Amino acid sequence: NAGVTQTPKFQVLKTGQSMTLQCAQDMNHEYMSWYRQDPGMGLRLIHYSVGAGITDQGEVPNGYNVSRSTTEDFPLRLLSAAPSQTSVYFCASSYDSSSSGANVLTFGAGSRLTVL
Amino acid sequence: GQNIDQPTEMTATEGAIVQINCTYQTSGFNGLFWYQQHAGEAPTFLSYNVLDGLEEKGRFSSFLSRSKGYSYLLLKELQMKDSASYLCAGMDSNYQLIWGAGTKLIIKP
Repeated sequence: NAGVTQTPKFQVLKTGQSMTLQCAQDMNHEYMSWYRQDPGMGLRLIHYSVGAGITDQGEVPNGYNVSRSTTEDFPLRLLSAAPSQTSVYFCASSYDSSSSGANVLTFGAGSRLTVL
Repeated sequence: GQNIDQPTEMTATEGAIVQINCTYQTSGFNGLFWYQQHAGEAPTFLSYNVLDGLEEKGRFSSFLSRSKGYSYLLLKELQMKDSASYLCAGMDSNYQLIWGAGTKLIIKP
């Protein structure tokens, strides 16, 4: 039982390049999300999904795309990387987003992205 | 607006007790979460409070006062491995989490 698997762990990009951060979970969780974590700030929600085929924007969606074709996978795409997207990215999932008691998030190990 | 406030950094001694405070303002309220995050690692769940009072879980306890918009995490018998950041997060009426910036706890021998 791997939990939430994120790849890659580290990535360096040049401004304007695109890339995809992969996220997969094997817990049959309906809810999946992407956060970014920057020094001195709380986790900020980028995009989330409450089930296969359903995605929605979070607090900071600009410059990012997501899709949810299966329950297991939730990739995050950076369309044209900018230095402001230098951050640590976390994928997180939970069984159910609508019932707060069950909304304990399981996080992936994180992906550290640097944009030059 | 929605906001979570917690101290940036705290220092405590091994074997002692420390209390990390968190005040919150959310649009509606569906509970208060605490997560632990060791440096370079992912956050992991510690506790969830939705009713007023104290929830005890081993060396860790979490308290909630909904009328004051206030929570604290109490860590007893501190160990060096408790050195980490502690993240407070409030859940609003749309079941969205509002995160604090985290409290870095430094444990000294």
